[in-house]
Amino acid sequence: LAKTTQPISMDSYEGQEVNITCSHNNIATNDYITWYQQFPSQGPRFIIQGYKTKVTNEVASLFIPADRKSSTLSLPRVSLSDTAVYYCLVGDWMDSSYKLIFGSGTRLLVRP
Amino acid sequence: GAVVSQHPSRVICKSGTSVKIECRSLDFQATTMFWYRQFPKQSLMLMATSNEGSKATYEQGVEKDKFLINHASLTLSTLTVTSAHPEDSSFYICSARDEEGTVNEKLFFGSGTQLSVL
Repeated sequence: LAKTTQPISMDSYEGQEVNITCSHNNIATNDYITWYQQFPSQGPRFIIQGYKTKVTNEVASLFIPADRKSSTLSLPRVSLSDTAVYYCLVGDWMDSSYKLIFGSGTRLLVRP
Repeated sequence: GAVVSQHPSRVICKSGTSVKIECRSLDFQATTMFWYRQFPKQSLMLMATSNEGSKATYEQGVEKDKFLINHASLTLSTLTVTSAHPEDSSFYICSARDEEGTVNEKLFFGSGTQLSVL
Protein backbone atom coordinates (compact mmCIF):
# COMPACT_ATOMS: atom_id res chain seq x y z
CA LEU A 1 0.00 0.00 0.00
CA ALA A 2 1.13 3.52 -0.76
CA LYS A 3 2.24 5.49 2.24
CA THR A 4 0.92 8.78 0.93
CA THR A 5 -2.43 10.52 0.41
CA GLN A 6 -2.99 13.42 -1.98
CA PRO A 7 -5.97 15.26 -3.45
CA ILE A 8 -7.15 13.52 -6.60
CA SER A 9 -7.27 16.68 -8.67
CA MET A 10 -6.67 20.42 -8.62
CA ASP A 11 -7.48 23.26 -10.97
CA SER A 12 -5.51 26.44 -11.42
CA TYR A 13 -4.92 29.28 -13.85
CA GLU A 14 -1.82 30.37 -15.63
CA GLY A 15 0.45 32.54 -13.54
CA GLN A 16 -0.90 31.36 -10.21
CA GLU A 17 1.04 29.60 -7.50
CA VAL A 18 -0.10 26.03 -6.90
CA ASN A 19 0.39 24.19 -3.65
CA ILE A 20 -0.21 20.45 -3.49
CA THR A 21 -0.22 18.89 -0.06
CA CYS A 22 0.57 15.27 0.63
CA SER A 23 -0.04 13.32 3.84
CA HIS A 24 2.38 10.65 4.97
CA ASN A 25 1.48 9.97 8.57
CA ASN A 26 3.54 6.79 8.82
CA ILE A 27 6.76 8.14 7.38
CA ALA A 28 9.82 6.41 8.79
CA THR A 29 12.76 8.22 10.34
CA ASN A 30 15.04 7.57 7.39
CA ASP A 31 12.49 8.19 4.64
CA TYR A 32 12.92 11.05 2.22
CA ILE A 33 9.98 12.67 0.45
CA THR A 34 10.15 12.80 -3.32
CA TRP A 35 7.85 14.40 -5.84
CA TYR A 36 7.49 13.36 -9.46
CA GLN A 37 5.64 14.82 -12.44
CA GLN A 38 4.12 12.66 -15.14
CA PHE A 39 2.75 13.64 -18.51
CA PRO A 40 0.52 11.23 -20.49
CA SER A 41 2.41 8.35 -22.08
CA GLN A 42 5.68 9.34 -20.44
CA GLY A 43 7.66 8.10 -17.49
CA PRO A 44 7.62 10.13 -14.27
CA ARG A 45 10.10 12.96 -14.04
CA PHE A 46 11.83 13.90 -10.79
CA ILE A 47 10.86 17.32 -9.45
CA ILE A 48 12.24 17.66 -5.96
CA GLN A 49 13.27 15.70 -2.88
CA GLY A 50 13.58 16.67 0.75
CA TYR A 51 13.89 15.38 4.28
CA LYS A 52 12.82 18.30 6.45
CA THR A 53 12.16 22.06 6.43
CA LYS A 54 12.32 23.66 3.01
CA VAL A 55 13.99 22.70 -0.22
CA THR A 56 13.99 24.84 -3.34
CA ASN A 57 15.24 24.23 -6.85
CA GLU A 58 14.73 25.89 -10.19
CA VAL A 59 11.24 24.51 -10.70
CA ALA A 60 9.61 24.06 -7.30
CA SER A 61 9.79 24.35 -3.54
CA LEU A 62 9.05 21.66 -1.02
CA PHE A 63 7.88 22.50 2.47
CA ILE A 64 8.08 19.87 5.19
CA PRO A 65 6.89 20.60 8.74
CA ALA A 66 8.82 19.47 11.77
CA ASP A 67 6.71 16.34 12.32
CA ARG A 68 7.24 15.32 8.66
CA LYS A 69 3.74 13.86 8.48
CA SER A 70 2.93 15.97 5.47
CA SER A 71 4.64 17.93 2.76
CA THR A 72 3.63 20.63 0.31
CA LEU A 73 4.88 20.98 -3.21
CA SER A 74 4.78 24.59 -4.38
CA LEU A 75 4.84 25.44 -8.07
CA PRO A 76 5.32 29.17 -8.64
CA ARG A 77 3.51 30.84 -11.53
CA VAL A 78 2.24 27.75 -13.31
CA SER A 79 1.83 27.59 -17.06
CA LEU A 80 -0.31 25.42 -19.31
CA SER A 81 2.60 23.02 -19.68
CA ASP A 82 2.45 22.24 -15.97
CA THR A 83 -0.78 20.33 -16.53
CA ALA A 84 0.22 16.84 -15.41
CA VAL A 85 -0.12 14.31 -12.64
CA TYR A 86 2.03 14.95 -9.57
CA TYR A 87 3.04 12.12 -7.29
CA CYS A 88 4.33 12.37 -3.75
CA LEU A 89 6.31 9.35 -2.60
CA VAL A 90 8.17 8.18 0.45
CA GLY A 91 10.40 5.17 0.40
CA ASP A 92 9.44 1.80 1.77
CA TRP A 93 11.66 -0.99 2.93
CA MET A 94 9.95 -4.23 2.01
CA ASP A 95 11.54 -7.65 1.76
CA SER A 96 14.93 -6.07 2.45
CA SER A 97 14.56 -3.93 -0.65
CA TYR A 98 13.95 -0.20 -0.90
CA LYS A 99 10.99 0.60 -3.14
CA LEU A 100 8.88 3.51 -4.18
CA ILE A 101 5.17 2.75 -4.13
CA PHE A 102 3.01 5.22 -6.01
CA GLY A 103 -0.20 6.59 -4.60
CA SER A 104 -3.02 7.99 -6.66
CA GLY A 105 -1.28 11.25 -7.47
CA THR A 106 -2.82 14.68 -8.03
CA ARG A 107 -4.06 15.57 -11.48
CA LEU A 108 -3.34 19.28 -11.96
CA LEU A 109 -5.17 21.13 -14.68
CA VAL A 110 -3.87 24.60 -15.54
CA ARG A 111 -6.36 26.74 -17.43
CA PRO A 112 -5.58 29.77 -19.59
CA GLY B 1 20.74 14.03 -14.25
CA ALA B 2 21.04 10.33 -14.88
CA VAL B 3 19.31 8.86 -17.93
CA VAL B 4 17.34 5.66 -18.22
CA SER B 5 16.62 4.49 -21.74
CA GLN B 6 13.66 2.22 -22.41
CA HIS B 7 13.01 0.46 -25.69
CA PRO B 8 10.75 0.07 -27.58
CA SER B 9 8.47 2.99 -26.86
CA ARG B 10 5.53 1.29 -28.48
CA VAL B 11 4.83 -2.27 -29.56
CA ILE B 12 1.83 -3.96 -31.09
CA CYS B 13 1.73 -7.73 -31.13
CA LYS B 14 -0.60 -10.60 -31.72
CA SER B 15 -2.10 -12.55 -28.88
CA GLY B 16 0.10 -15.46 -27.86
CA THR B 17 3.41 -13.90 -28.81
CA SER B 18 6.14 -12.74 -26.44
CA VAL B 19 7.44 -9.22 -26.18
CA LYS B 20 10.73 -8.07 -24.69
CA ILE B 21 11.23 -4.60 -23.24
CA GLU B 22 14.71 -3.28 -22.48
CA CYS B 23 15.71 -0.83 -19.80
CA ARG B 24 19.21 0.64 -19.76
CA SER B 25 20.92 3.00 -17.39
CA LEU B 26 23.05 5.08 -19.73
CA ASP B 27 25.50 6.88 -17.47
CA PHE B 28 25.36 5.06 -14.18
CA GLN B 29 25.30 1.56 -12.79
CA ALA B 30 22.15 0.17 -11.30
CA THR B 31 22.21 -2.92 -9.12
CA THR B 32 18.50 -2.56 -8.71
CA MET B 33 15.87 -1.68 -11.27
CA PHE B 34 12.12 -1.59 -10.91
CA TRP B 35 9.33 -2.41 -13.32
CA TYR B 36 5.98 -0.66 -13.13
CA ARG B 37 2.75 -1.07 -15.00
CA GLN B 38 0.20 1.65 -15.60
CA PHE B 39 -3.33 1.45 -16.97
CA PRO B 40 -5.04 4.53 -18.43
CA LYS B 41 -5.93 7.19 -15.87
CA GLN B 42 -4.42 5.10 -13.08
CA SER B 43 -1.28 5.31 -11.01
CA LEU B 44 1.86 3.26 -11.49
CA MET B 45 1.77 -0.20 -9.99
CA LEU B 46 5.03 -1.79 -8.95
CA MET B 47 5.38 -5.20 -10.60
CA ALA B 48 8.82 -6.37 -9.59
CA THR B 49 12.27 -5.46 -8.40
CA SER B 50 15.06 -6.52 -10.70
CA ASN B 51 18.35 -7.39 -9.03
CA GLU B 52 21.57 -7.71 -10.99
CA GLY B 53 22.87 -11.25 -10.91
CA SER B 54 19.98 -12.71 -8.97
CA LYS B 55 16.31 -13.48 -9.28
CA ALA B 56 13.77 -10.73 -9.45
CA THR B 57 11.40 -10.10 -6.59
CA TYR B 58 7.78 -9.95 -7.69
CA GLU B 59 4.97 -8.08 -6.01
CA GLN B 60 1.96 -9.98 -4.82
CA GLY B 61 -0.36 -10.91 -7.64
CA VAL B 62 2.24 -10.58 -10.40
CA GLU B 63 2.92 -13.83 -12.24
CA LYS B 64 6.65 -14.43 -12.44
CA ASP B 65 6.25 -16.94 -15.27
CA LYS B 66 4.24 -14.43 -17.22
CA PHE B 67 6.56 -11.49 -16.73
CA LEU B 68 10.14 -12.70 -17.04
CA ILE B 69 12.78 -10.35 -15.76
CA ASN B 70 16.48 -10.62 -16.50
CA HIS B 71 19.09 -8.29 -15.06
CA ALA B 72 22.29 -9.61 -16.54
CA SER B 73 24.44 -6.51 -16.16
CA LEU B 74 24.63 -3.38 -14.06
CA THR B 75 23.15 -1.31 -16.88
CA LEU B 76 20.50 -3.54 -18.43
CA SER B 77 17.28 -5.12 -17.26
CA THR B 78 14.73 -6.74 -19.54
CA LEU B 79 11.08 -7.55 -19.05
CA THR B 80 9.56 -10.21 -21.28
CA VAL B 81 5.81 -10.52 -21.43
CA THR B 82 5.28 -14.13 -22.39
CA SER B 83 2.28 -15.36 -24.34
CA ALA B 84 0.77 -11.92 -24.29
CA HIS B 85 -2.98 -11.48 -24.21
CA PRO B 86 -5.14 -8.39 -24.67
CA GLU B 87 -5.43 -7.94 -20.90
CA ASP B 88 -1.65 -7.46 -20.81
CA SER B 89 -2.02 -4.31 -22.87
CA SER B 90 -0.68 -1.54 -20.71
CA PHE B 91 2.03 1.08 -20.28
CA TYR B 92 5.17 -0.47 -18.81
CA ILE B 93 7.77 1.74 -17.15
CA CYS B 94 11.17 0.88 -15.74
CA SER B 95 13.23 2.80 -13.26
CA ALA B 96 16.68 2.59 -11.78
CA ARG B 97 18.43 3.91 -8.74
CA ASP B 98 21.84 5.49 -9.07
CA GLU B 99 23.99 3.32 -6.83
CA GLU B 100 26.34 6.19 -6.17
CA GLY B 101 23.66 7.92 -4.18
CA THR B 102 22.30 7.19 -0.75
CA VAL B 103 19.52 4.70 -0.19
CA ASN B 104 17.11 7.58 -0.52
CA GLU B 105 18.48 8.73 -3.81
CA LYS B 106 15.79 9.44 -6.34
CA LEU B 107 14.84 6.95 -8.98
CA PHE B 108 15.24 7.72 -12.65
CA PHE B 109 12.50 6.53 -14.93
CA GLY B 110 12.46 5.35 -18.50
CA SER B 111 10.07 6.88 -21.00
CA GLY B 112 7.78 3.86 -20.92
CA THR B 113 6.59 1.24 -23.37
CA GLN B 114 3.02 1.13 -24.61
CA LEU B 115 2.12 -2.50 -25.26
CA SER B 116 -0.95 -3.27 -27.30
CA VAL B 117 -1.92 -6.92 -27.73
CA LEU B 118 -4.39 -7.63 -30.49
